[in-house]
Amino acid sequence: DAGVTQSPTHLIKTRGQQVTLRCSPKSGHDTVSWYQQALGQGPQFIFQYYEEEERQRGNFPDRFSGHQFPNYSSELNVNALLLGDSALYLCASSLVGQDGYTFGSGTRLTVV
Amino acid sequence: AQRVTQPEKLLSVFKGAPVELKCNYSYSGSPELFWYVQYSRQRLQLLLRHISRESIKGFTADLNKGETSFHLKKPFAQEEDSAMYYCALSGLRDDKIIFGKGTRLHILP
Repeated sequence: DAGVTQSPTHLIKTRGQQVTLRCSPKSGHDTVSWYQQALGQGPQFIFQYYEEEERQRGNFPDRFSGHQFPNYSSELNVNALLLGDSALYLCASSLVGQDGYTFGSGTRLTVV
Repeated sequence: AQRVTQPEKLLSVFKGAPVELKCNYSYSGSPELFWYVQYSRQRLQLLLRHISRESIKGFTADLNKGETSFHLKKPFAQEEDSAMYYCALSGLRDDKIIFGKGTRLHILP
């Protein structure tokens, strides 16, 4: 079992561009949550997807959007990138009703 | 406000000495408390949760509701304990996790 897989591992984008990050959950998991981890900070919750719908959302602007597919994989989209969006983006999967999240290794986004 | 506070950014401890990583929280209700660990070049992983009352890798944490604290302790530090430690909480099952800013534990030889 590969656990949670995220792609790409690193990418560099220019301010104003758009980016899509991808996440495949751990086998058997049906819920995907996304977190942003800025340098020197703990992860901050962006949103959670279950049954292809956004179930919870943190304090992030509408520029941050997501999607969950029927196979439970998920995408995080960020529009109109700002320098402050530079961070490690973590995906965590879980099985609804069960305890425990499994985290991916993250995607390091640098906005220049 | 829901918040997790880890007052120490860095904690250096000699091998064999006791370790205590401090964590205080603010939450209206009865949260579930966790400690997550991230070893060098590895992904974030759950170390322990208060509800299970386990001891993992020699670490324990006691929830003190009166002081709203959930400090992580280990009686004898080992070099392999060097890592980044995050205290975290969540509400109901499946709820989002709120993390502290983390404490880097450095075990000195």
